Amino acid sequence: DGGITQSPKYLFRKEGQNVTLSCEQNLNHDAMYWYRQDPGQGLRLIYYSQIVNDFQKGDIAEGYSVSREKKESFPLTVTSAQKNPTAFYLCASSTRGGYTFGSGTRLTVV
Amino acid sequence: RKEVEQDPGPFNVPEGATVAFNCTYSNSASQSFFWYRQDCRKEPKLLMSVYSSGNEDGRFTAQLNRASQYISLLIRDSKLSDSATYLCVVNSGAQFYFGTGTSLTVIP
Repeated sequence: DGGITQSPKYLFRKEGQNVTLSCEQNLNHDAMYWYRQDPGQGLRLIYYSQIVNDFQKGDIAEGYSVSREKKESFPLTVTSAQKNPTAFYLCASSTRGGYTFGSGTRLTVV
Repeated sequence: RKEVEQDPGPFNVPEGATVAFNCTYSNSASQSFFWYRQDCRKEPKLLMSVYSSGNEDGRFTAQLNRASQYISLLIRDSKLSDSATYLCVVNSGAQFYFGTGTSLTVIP
C-alpha cells in the first residue's frame, strides 16, 4: 500500500546533539513537507520541497536542515541550534487532492 | 492576518447533538479546501474535501462560501468517537495552509 513512513516514532536527544528524522513516501508525490506541532498548537511549516534537489524554508526553519536527493525521501535534521526542539514532527506529501501525513516522530530533549 | 483562522474551541457537546465549525481564509484565489481530523497524539487524516456545491458524507456536511471566504463543517448526531481536533486546510497555489484546529469533545 502507498503511504508515508516516518521513523523513529519516538526519539530522545541530549542537548547539543544533532538528530535526523526520516521520511519516506511511495506515493510518487512531488511535494513533501515537514511540520512541527506543539501541545495545543497548530501545525507550523519548517521546510518544504516541490521537486528533487530543491527545497524552501517555511515559517520556522531556524535550527533545522533538510535534503531532497530522491523523490521518495525528505529527511529532517534537528540541529543543536534549535533551542526548543521538543515537539511532534509530521512529514507530509501532497497532490492537489490534499495532504497525506506520516504517523509522526515525537522528539524529546533530555 | 493569518491565511486560515479557526475558532480553537473547545466545543463540548452531548451525544446526539449537531455541531458546526467555521474556518475563514484570507486569499480569495484559494483553490482547494479540506477538513482533516486529528486524534490526540496522532497525525491528521483527511476527513473530507470541500466542494463548491457543498458535499455530504454520512453525518458530515462540508460547505464553501467563496463570497465570504469561509468553509464550514457540520456534524449531525454526534458520537463519542467524533471527539478529536478538526483542522481546516486551504490550498493556495503551491502551498497548503492549516488552521490551528477546533477541539471537539462529545460527552455521554
